[in-house]
Amino acid sequence: NAGVMQNPRHLVRRRGQEARLRCSPMKGHSHVYWYRQLPEEGLKFMVYLQKENIIDESGMPKERFSAEFPKEGPSILRIQQVVRGDSAAYFCASNMQGTNNSPLHFGNGTRLTVT
Amino acid sequence: AQSVTQLGSHVSVSEGALVLLRCNYSSSVPPYLFWYVQYPNQGLQLLLKYTSAATLVKGINGFEAEFKKSETSFHLTKPSAHMSDAAEYFCAVVTTGNQFYFGTGTSLTVIP
Repeated sequence: NAGVMQNPRHLVRRRGQEARLRCSPMKGHSHVYWYRQLPEEGLKFMVYLQKENIIDESGMPKERFSAEFPKEGPSILRIQQVVRGDSAAYFCASNMQGTNNSPLHFGNGTRLTVT
Repeated sequence: AQSVTQLGSHVSVSEGALVLLRCNYSSSVPPYLFWYVQYPNQGLQLLLKYTSAATLVKGINGFEAEFKKSETSFHLTKPSAHMSDAAEYFCAVVTTGNQFYFGTGTSLTVIP
């Protein structure tokens, strides 16, 4: 599968635990985006990364949330000490470097449930 | 700042009827515009994109959209709705900084 791969598809965490969401971009893509989606709401931008570099994290909550995209391996969205309000679908998307009209390709998302 | 507005969070049409989903953008420069579709429990799939080559853009599944600069609009249409078109539709604009801005989405219901 050459598409954007996210895992796990479903993740259940108790309050206070850590959640790690993984995203492998499409082959040849060097830009990764993370979005959060709540029921009946649109996509909320969280962070935009290139390898080893955060380009824009203006949508990330100031505390408990972090993201990385290392030189090797997938991009990771990390949520520490999860709370019930973190329950949502988290989508990763990727596109090519250097082209403003390169569309985003989305993964199928990780659905986080905090109990 | 760039933004997109999707008028109508819910649209219902009868099977076989015209589908019209509205999107207006605000941009100080010619934008790149996209329409995406999201089926339940899936990610977003690209329907079509506007990149200034032609004002009428044809996409997958019989959808098309027309870029109207004078109206700052990029409405999505399909002549005849099919039951399988029921989904959530998102309009998006991208800035020169490769940052994407999505509308709040329009949920399309197709009535048999």
